[in-house]
Amino acid sequence: DAGVTQSPTHLIKTRGQHVTLRCSPISGHKSVSWYQQVLGQGPQFIFQYYEKEERGRGNFPDRFSARQFPNYSSELNVNALLLGDSALYLCASSTGPPGGLNTGELFFGEGSRLTVL
Amino acid sequence: LAKTTQPISMDSYEGQEVNITCSHNNIATNDYITWYQQFPSQGPRFIIQGYKTKVKNEVASLFIPADRKSSTLSLPRVSLSDTAVYYCLVGFPTGGGNKLTFGTGTQLKVEL
Repeated sequence: DAGVTQSPTHLIKTRGQHVTLRCSPISGHKSVSWYQQVLGQGPQFIFQYYEKEERGRGNFPDRFSARQFPNYSSELNVNALLLGDSALYLCASSTGPPGGLNTGELFFGEGSRLTVL
Repeated sequence: LAKTTQPISMDSYEGQEVNITCSHNNIATNDYITWYQQFPSQGPRFIIQGYKTKVKNEVASLFIPADRKSSTLSLPRVSLSDTAVYYCLVGFPTGGGNKLTFGTGTQLKVEL
């Protein structure tokens, strides 16, 4: 069975540009969450979606946006890129909704490595 | 502001038991505590999850005291391949829903 897939795996952008990262969850998983991981630090929560609705948002500026499609895949968009946006962007999927009785096991993709020059 | 803390690094030798503790305040009443392992340039991998007391699976044990303000991951008889960063993950309540916050991560180095 395919795991969580993310694309692209690596990309280079310049300051001020826009980027779109894509994520396909494991089949049957309805929840997708996004994380930013700067080198040497733990993943920082950006967004969580369940059944195409935003269910959680981390402390990131409005330049960051996301959406979830009817097939449960997701996109993360970042506008007006800054040097500090350089990081590994991780997508995770899970079966159930966020919070509630448990957070559920998260299945992570290998990430998209974004470099902003 | 909710915060989780872990030791930055730990060193061990093959065959030893390793215990990594995560401190977490303001954990949501209904949220579980989950531990993940991460190798360089890879996404985190699930190790174990628990709510309270003790949980055990084929690779690790998890101890959670009654107040749930901390948790301890126990890795029995570590090997070189266990060298990785270990994160605890808990959910913290926010106005619009739970925020999933990773701990600071513990770099475990296992030597012969």
